[in-house]
Amino acid sequence: GDSVTQMEGPVTLSEEAFLTINCTYTATGYPSLFWYVQYPGEGLQLLLKATKADDKGSNKGFEATYRKETTSFHLEKGSVQVSDSAVYFCALTAGGTSYGKLTFGQGTILTVHP
Amino acid sequence: DTAVSQTPKYLVTQMGNDKSIKCEQNLGHDTMYWYKQDSKKFLKIMFSYNNKELIINETVPNRFSPKSPDKAHLNLHINSLELGDSAVYFCASSQGGGSGPHEQYFGPGTRLTVT
Repeated sequence: GDSVTQMEGPVTLSEEAFLTINCTYTATGYPSLFWYVQYPGEGLQLLLKATKADDKGSNKGFEATYRKETTSFHLEKGSVQVSDSAVYFCALTAGGTSYGKLTFGQGTILTVHP
Repeated sequence: DTAVSQTPKYLVTQMGNDKSIKCEQNLGHDTMYWYKQDSKKFLKIMFSYNNKELIINETVPNRFSPKSPDKAHLNLHINSLELGDSAVYFCASSQGGGSGPHEQYFGPGTRLTVT
């Protein structure tokens, strides 16, 4: 079945540090890929998405590139802020009869210190 | 304006009780979902409805019964609550439940604690 694997956390960084959160996936066909963010006490918000190979999603300084050859969708940000502290989820929808079902990775907790 | 709302936000109850969680979306979407987030933050889909029709029913105990009275509402009823049901339950909605990058909008979650 479809699956998503994220790097284990928690990740702790100082403000202005470079961030990478690794994500790899297993899916049949051509999935769409997403990064969602969950701030403390809130629901999930879509951060960025990519729908086909070599697409780059970007938002709020975050970027991720859909790499079909390595089945990866790593999240990066050049300079993190304290306000980026949250849980980050990599996810996919496989299309076809998946009916838009999101399959999530296990989440990575990011804490950014001043 | 809240796009996807859930009530209640917190629910504390005893084992064996029956409880319901309500979800409403005002986005005009045709597909709604229930997800369960466990204590380790892992999220897994439970159910999905498209135009009031059940289209996803993952391996969920039949004590859980979703009900969709109309496209804007998807409620979750849980019978005979167990300790293991303690979790955060998220409702979500999207336009179109088929293939494609349909963004899902999530509610704020309902934290259920079974004692």
